[in-house]
Amino acid sequence: QVTLKESGPVLVKPTETLTLTCTVSGFSLSNARMGVSWIRQPPGKALEWLAHIFSNDEKSYSTSLKSRLTISKDTSKSQVVLTMTNMDPVDTATYYCARIDGIGGGGALTGWGQGTLVTVSS
Amino acid sequence: EIVLTQSPGTLSLSPGERATLSCRASQSVSSSYLAWYQQKPGQAPRLLIYGASSRATGIPDRFSGSGSGTDFTLTISRLEPEDFAVYYCQQYGSSPETFGQGTKVEIK
Repeated sequence: QVTLKESGPVLVKPTETLTLTCTVSGFSLSNARMGVSWIRQPPGKALEWLAHIFSNDEKSYSTSLKSRLTISKDTSKSQVVLTMTNMDPVDTATYYCARIDGIGGGGALTGWGQGTLVTVSS
Repeated sequence: EIVLTQSPGTLSLSPGERATLSCRASQSVSSSYLAWYQQKPGQAPRLLIYGASSRATGIPDRFSGSGSGTDFTLTISRLEPEDFAVYYCQQYGSSPETFGQGTKVEIK
C-alpha cells in the first residue's frame, strides 16, 4: 500500500524558511520512472504545483517560485524535502506531496498525502 | 508555461444528469499528458483520469476523458451523489507542470 505523509511546522513567521518533509512507504524513491511532487492549496483556492523530483534526481520548479524553492530526496530514508525561503502570509496553504507514477499512472499523481496546513503569521 | 483554463467555473446539475467539463490549454499538451482529479471538501485530490483518457485504478466507468492537443473533456455520464465535488485538470507533459483553476460540480 502506497502512503505519503507530510510533516513540518504548522506556523512560520514572515521572512522565515519553511522546511517540509514527505515520508513515503509502499514504493522506493529509487524506482525507475517514479518521483514525488509538491503541490499547495491556499484556503478556498485552487491547486498550485510547486516542484517535483524523480528517481534519477531530475528536478523542476514552478516558474513563479523557482528562486525560493529547493527540492531534494534521501532515498535511504524514503523522504523528499521541500524548502521555501522568505515566507509571506500569502504562502499560507495546505501543502501536499504526491507520488508521480511513470508506470501505472503514466506520469500522473497516483497517490497523495493528507496535506499539512502551514500558516504564515507573526 | 502552459496555462490551463477550465470551464465552466461552476456546474449545477441533478443526480442522474450528465456532466461535461472542459479544460483548454494555452499550448499543445505533449503526448496527451493530461490528468483529471476530483477533490472533496477536507480531502486530498484523487486521480480519476491520466493520459487524457485512461481511467485510474478503481475509478467507475461513468467517468471518461477525451481530447488531445489543446482541448480536453471530462464527462461524468450519470452523476451519483458522491460525484459532487471540485474537479481539476493538470498537464504534466512539459515543465513546469500546471493545474487548471477547477470546476465545481454542485447539486442543483
